[in-house]
Amino acid sequence: DQQVKQNSPSLSVQEGRISILNCDYTNSMFDYFLWYKKYPAEGPTFLISISSIKDKNEDGRFTVFLNKSAKHLSLHIVPSQPGDSAVYFCAASANSGAGSYQLTFGKGTKLSVIP
Amino acid sequence: DGGITQSPKYLFRKEGQNVTLSCEQNLNHDAMYWYRQDPGQGLRLIYYSQIVNDFQKGDIAEGYSVSREKKESFPLTVTSAQKNPTAFYLCASTFLNGANVLTFGAGSRLTVL
Repeated sequence: DQQVKQNSPSLSVQEGRISILNCDYTNSMFDYFLWYKKYPAEGPTFLISISSIKDKNEDGRFTVFLNKSAKHLSLHIVPSQPGDSAVYFCAASANSGAGSYQLTFGKGTKLSVIP
Repeated sequence: DGGITQSPKYLFRKEGQNVTLSCEQNLNHDAMYWYRQDPGQGLRLIYYSQIVNDFQKGDIAEGYSVSREKKESFPLTVTSAQKNPTAFYLCASTFLNGANVLTFGAGSRLTVL
């Protein structure tokens, strides 16, 4: 049973426009959410995160929105640049006890920014 | 520079052979993790370790083994019992004081011929 879902395998956006990547989750115990960016044959790199006590977090061109009632989060990239072309993974964690920390990942969305 | 080093980057092995992938970190992180990435499958957790000499199975541990003899090192052995070992393997680490970001290595691509 997939607890973190990214239903769009791919997304194409024109350079300069907004990219919106979506993520849904089913586990109500998740309290921390992250987005990672990954290029082929490289490890994922952390992009932005949000705690469940917030509904928005912004870092430069990247903004993450969290809707807890809908169990939905989204990543907005404005403006999109060709260098943003990569696979984006949504991840979530639950506070599962002292010293225990795990991330559950979605399957990823491949973003292509067209010049 | 602090980081996670995975080696080798690319590895080819014959079916039935055991293979060990190296993961070393100099970030003084407490916990270390191994993930596997397959096309269209995202990242799936194989094993993780929160302290030296202790580790737990993840979602897809069958056919894999790990050890954590030192804080800096968390090698993964892909055994001959793993039915479909060809994949991209990622090692990660983090501190354990609250919710933290996992830092990933560059990955190791294993191809079984």
